[in-house]
Amino acid sequence: GDSVTQMEGPVTLSEEAFLTINCTYTATGYPSLFWYVQYPGEGLQLLLKATKADDKGSNKGFEATYRKETTSFHLEKGSVQVSDSAVYFCASSGGYNKLIFGAGTRLAVHP
Amino acid sequence: EAGVAQSPRYKIIEKRQSVAFWCNPISGHATLYWYQQILGQGPKLLIQFQNNGVVDDSQLPKDRFSAERLKGVDSTLKIQPAKLEDSAVYLCASSNVRGAPYEQYFGPGTRLTVT
Repeated sequence: GDSVTQMEGPVTLSEEAFLTINCTYTATGYPSLFWYVQYPGEGLQLLLKATKADDKGSNKGFEATYRKETTSFHLEKGSVQVSDSAVYFCASSGGYNKLIFGAGTRLAVHP
Repeated sequence: EAGVAQSPRYKIIEKRQSVAFWCNPISGHATLYWYQQILGQGPKLLIQFQNNGVVDDSQLPKDRFSAERLKGVDSTLKIQPAKLEDSAVYLCASSNVRGAPYEQYFGPGTRLTVT
């Protein structure tokens, strides 16, 4: 069945460091891909999305490119801030508007 | 615009007891989802409603879990009887757009601890 695999955390970085969180998917079609973020004590929020191959989603300095050839959707940010500390979830769309989530990657950014 | 509301935020019960969670989606959102998020895992879809009809409940443990969405607005998820492995955060989400691409809006969740 369809699935999403993310790199394990926690990822610990210093402020202004470069961030990459890897995400790969398996799907029987051409899903839309998403990154959601969960800040402490809050619900999941959509961070960015891409709906077809080679699309780049971007928001708040984060970017991810839909790579069909490698079935990947890696999340990147050039310079992280302490406020980016959160859990990041990669997700793909399934049938009937379902979302299939990865296990999540916790990011901790230190000053 | 008000977000997805859930209550209670926290609940502690003993095994074999029953519990109910409530969700009020964003006004006008026809699709409502219940997810179970076990610690260290991503959310897993339990049930999806389109208006007041069930679209997908393939991963809902129907021997103990039930959900309803009367009048196509708010929804209740019930567990009876609870087991230790039901300890998790229960997330409600809603969306307004059918077909891809789409966006789900999540509530803050209810953290359930079964002792």
